Amino acid sequence: DAGVTQSPTHLIKTRGQQVTLRCSPKSGHDTVSWYQQALGQGPQFIFQYYEEEERQRGNFPDRFSGHQFPNYSSELNVNALLLGDSALYLCASSLVTSGQVYNEQFFGPGTRLTVL
Amino acid sequence: DQQVKQNSPSLSVQEGRISILNCDYTNSMFDYFLWYKKYPAEGPTFLISISSIKDKNEDGRFTVFLNKSAKHLSLHIVPSQPGDSAVYFCAASAETTDSWGKLQFGAGTQVVVTP
Repeated sequence: DAGVTQSPTHLIKTRGQQVTLRCSPKSGHDTVSWYQQALGQGPQFIFQYYEEEERQRGNFPDRFSGHQFPNYSSELNVNALLLGDSALYLCASSLVTSGQVYNEQFFGPGTRLTVL
Repeated sequence: DQQVKQNSPSLSVQEGRISILNCDYTNSMFDYFLWYKKYPAEGPTFLISISSIKDKNEDGRFTVFLNKSAKHLSLHIVPSQPGDSAVYFCAASAETTDSWGKLQFGAGTQVVVTP
């Protein structure tokens, strides 16, 4: 049973560029959340996708956008990269059933983004 | 606004002894709490959770205690093993419309279990 997978593992970009990160949820899961983890901090919620729509959003600017596909996989896009966007980006999947989201989210290994 | 706080950045414990990790929160709307463990180069792994209707939940060597009046929870690991050396994150969520499915994490506690 494949868990949550993310690609790429590492990425180096320069300021002002755009980046796309990808995530495939755990088999049977239908909800994908994205988190940013800066060095020495806990993960910070970016947004969550369910039924191909953004359902929840954290305190991140519009430069951060996403998408969910019919197969439940998801992309995170960041435009106009800043040095401060350097972080580990984590994808987590979970399951919604009967309108209730299961709080136990399963995380992928993350994508390490470095902005120079 | 840090609503979930882990005030101890690190903890060193001897193998076989008890590890106690603490977590405080400020948002009274939080009604579900989770602990995650993270090894280097891996994503966080779910460990144990507790609903606000309970004050204790146990799973093997791991027990989580919740004190709602103090807005405090703790994770006990007994006995501690070398494989428990990792960063532990406390997380919380609220079943409100604007927080549904959103986990708020603390900054983590690095646990080192020594032989």
